[in-house]
Amino acid sequence: EVQLVESGGGLVQPGGSLRLSCAASGFTFSRHDMHWVRQGTGGGLEWVSVIGTSGDPYYSDSVKGRFTISRENARNSLYLQMNTLRVGDTAVYYCVRAGGDVWGQGTTVTVSS
Amino acid sequence: SYELTQPSSVSVSPGQTARITCSGDVLAKKYARWFQQKPGQAPVLVIYKDSERPSGIPERFSGSSSGTTVTLTISGAQLEDEADYYCHSAADTLWVFGGGTRLTVL
Repeated sequence: EVQLVESGGGLVQPGGSLRLSCAASGFTFSRHDMHWVRQGTGGGLEWVSVIGTSGDPYYSDSVKGRFTISRENARNSLYLQMNTLRVGDTAVYYCVRAGGDVWGQGTTVTVSS
Repeated sequence: SYELTQPSSVSVSPGQTARITCSGDVLAKKYARWFQQKPGQAPVLVIYKDSERPSGIPERFSGSSSGTTVTLTISGAQLEDEADYYCHSAADTLWVFGGGTRLTVL
């Protein structure tokens, strides 16, 4: 079964850090670009970051300089290191295969004092 | 930056045809996708490449494109189609989503 499973979410204070993980299974992970998409309390979907098969990363303006995307193909894993977190980063974070056809169940990040 | 604009809500009666539009300059050059999201669930891809339907998606879902506007059509909407719908496009590797449309079937 093709599957993505996120983990690592939680409650963190403003200015803190968190590392999200996404475990892929059921497909050849190394052959796919992978994205992070988040959904805040306002409800809409917001693209966060992408990493290509060669490891080249791109970020939305809202997280550039604070978040770092990475992948470990040997472990079929995607990561998102989130630093200098803000209240506005509070959201459910999804990892998504580039085709848009496979989404994880999401992991919740809450930034609050 | 790229923007996609959708109506915030659409309402139809069961069995009627629902149409949700999405507009943005990027759509004249790039394909659109549509995602359906029900409460507490991850989004599901229902249309890709403007009008292609993934396997397992009912035939009542269709997509079309004209210039800078794409349209998701649900022919004979069912109660289970009540959900939020998001259009999407990609400018190179960077993604953009519309603000979402709440479809009410009642």
